[in-house]
Amino acid sequence: GAVVSQHPSRVICKSGTSVKIECRSLDFQATTMFWYRQFPKQSLMLMATSNEGSKATYEQGVEKDKFLINHASLTLSTLTVTSAHPEDSSFYICSARADSAQETQYFGPGTRLLVL
Amino acid sequence: AQTVTQSQPEMSVQEAETVTLSCTYDTSENNYYLFWYKQPPSRQMILVIRQEAYKQQNATENRFSVNFQKAAKSFSLKISDSQLGDTAMYFCAFMWAGTASKLTFGTGTRLQVTL
Repeated sequence: GAVVSQHPSRVICKSGTSVKIECRSLDFQATTMFWYRQFPKQSLMLMATSNEGSKATYEQGVEKDKFLINHASLTLSTLTVTSAHPEDSSFYICSARADSAQETQYFGPGTRLLVL
Repeated sequence: AQTVTQSQPEMSVQEAETVTLSCTYDTSENNYYLFWYKQPPSRQMILVIRQEAYKQQNATENRFSVNFQKAAKSFSLKISDSQLGDTAMYFCAFMWAGTASKLTFGTGTRLQVTL
């Protein structure tokens, strides 16, 4: 089946630093990827839609300058949390929609971010 | 805008028994997909089952089946012969069948399978 990887799986950083999270589709091409945030015991909240070769589309209330998204190839999207603060601590999940089967999203294993 | 409602925050079932998780949704669209995703303690989201709205036949994947009632906008998941490994959060999700469409998730149901 389709596999999506995320790196790192866990990261701890100091307040004020930036953190980059990678999302890769390993065995399929994905023009579109999605970034979600999940708080403990809650559902997934869509942050933005990442499109290869174009600017990401952000959901209402998500700061585009704080959560930078780059989708430079058909298999890689990155999310950079800039000037991280403790309130940015969360579980970040990416998903990828296969170009050959756009009705299904495949999810990465998630990245746990802790900002001290 | 689409909304997805899961009215059961938590459920429990004994091993080998059957359990049904409820999901309702609201949309004005006619062509869409519905999904059930499972999130075990590892937090990896796993697709359990998918239903196309234009199909009247209920989707089935081994022990997992759905009861899709389009007119009632209901999409319940039945797990038969429950196993300990079924313990997880279950999310119902909706997606319009168009370009640039995105998933809308329900709030989830935490299922505990007990001995």
